[in-house]
Amino acid sequence: QQQVKQSPQSLIVQKGGISIINCAYENTAFDYFPWYQQFPGKGPALLIAIRPDVSEKKEGRFTISFNKSAKQFSLHIMDSQPGDSATYFCAASKQGAQKLVFGQGTRLTINP
Amino acid sequence: KAGVTQTPRYLIKTRGQQVTLSCSPISGHRSVSWYQQTPGQGLQFLFEYFSETQRNKGNFPGRFSGRQFSNSRSEMNVSTLELGDSALYLCASSVTQGVYGYTFGSGTRLTVV
Repeated sequence: QQQVKQSPQSLIVQKGGISIINCAYENTAFDYFPWYQQFPGKGPALLIAIRPDVSEKKEGRFTISFNKSAKQFSLHIMDSQPGDSATYFCAASKQGAQKLVFGQGTRLTINP
Repeated sequence: KAGVTQTPRYLIKTRGQQVTLSCSPISGHRSVSWYQQTPGQGLQFLFEYFSETQRNKGNFPGRFSGRQFSNSRSEMNVSTLELGDSALYLCASSVTQGVYGYTFGSGTRLTVV
């Protein structure tokens, strides 16, 4: 059973535009929601993470928006750059589970 | 500061063989978790080790096993390899148990022929 659904599967954005990736979860016990960035040949790297007690978290050009009632969260990349071209994964975890449940990933391409 | 080191980077094995993959965590990190990444199933949790003990296990058959040594280095073993075991195997280390502060290695690409 897929517990975290991510969309879209692929996304093409022009340089300088806003990239938006969405995730929805089912398990209301989840209390930690990170986003990872993965380049070809590399492992995922933590970008930004949020807990359900806040609705938004911003770090540089990256923002997580969180909607607890809708069980959804999204990643916004402002002023997208070609160097942001990568695969992005959302994930979720619940306290004590000691594992991450990942979305299926979004391949983001930023056209120059 | 050295990152998480996984060896080997690439591996080709024949169906029915067994394989051992290695993960050296960041110095000071005591927890090591393993994930399997495939195009079809995405990233799936295999198991977590902390203080040389398996603390958590994912939904994989018993052919998948692992261990952790006193220096926190970890190995995972897959016996009786199947074509479907072809994947990128990633390990992540963290200071203590849990997913916070995960740092992933670059993975071992296993191809079963």
